Amino acid sequence: QVQLQQSGPGLVKPSQTLSLTCAISGDSVSNNRAAWNWIRQSPSRGLEWLGRTYYRSTWYNDYAVSVKSRITINPDTSKNQFSLQLNSVTPDDTAVYYCAMYDWDYGRFGPWGQGTLVTVSS
Amino acid sequence: DIQMTQSPSSLSASVGDRVTITCRASQTTSNYLNWYQQKPGKAPKLLIYTASSLQSGVPSRFSGSGSGTDFTLTISSLQPEDFATYYCQQSSTIPLTFGGGTKVEIK
Repeated sequence: QVQLQQSGPGLVKPSQTLSLTCAISGDSVSNNRAAWNWIRQSPSRGLEWLGRTYYRSTWYNDYAVSVKSRITINPDTSKNQFSLQLNSVTPDDTAVYYCAMYDWDYGRFGPWGQGTLVTVSS
Repeated sequence: DIQMTQSPSSLSASVGDRVTITCRASQTTSNYLNWYQQKPGKAPKLLIYTASSLQSGVPSRFSGSGSGTDFTLTISSLQPEDFATYYCQQSSTIPLTFGGGTKVEIK
């Protein structure tokens, strides 16, 4: 059974970098039938897919245009986890952030991490 | 981007009612359409994938239908644990996008 465990700070100052990690158990970040995603949720934006990393003989990333200039998602094979970095945050980036596995065969998200409320405030 | 529009945005229903939620995509998603249930403070939970396939462990009172741009989630007999917010999501093209949600409340 795959489980995702998120970690990272819940408060980030404006203009700084938001950093979260998602540890995977029960599967491998190198699974070539999966992708590893970050999704956020806020009252103003609803559920917003931010991006993903996946392995197909080499590592690939896809990012949402809305954050493409500020986002990095990296796999860490030694720890079997992946991370999110979002630079130059503003209060508009305040949201609950989720990591989620994407099953490529069926095009579905699941499981999800527990969610992390990240507040951008000085 | 494919825009996903759900209707209604909220509804009130009683236990035992049949509930139908619709989702319309701004362009075809083939059958790459999923439905999720979310309760307060929790992550979304997958109910239906590829428009009509029931996720393992999900009660059979949930069903999905549709193809192309128009999809439906039906709860055949609403149970107390079904009061939640429901989201559709397309997996046809990136960016992967979600509908705005339908909140099902107790009448």
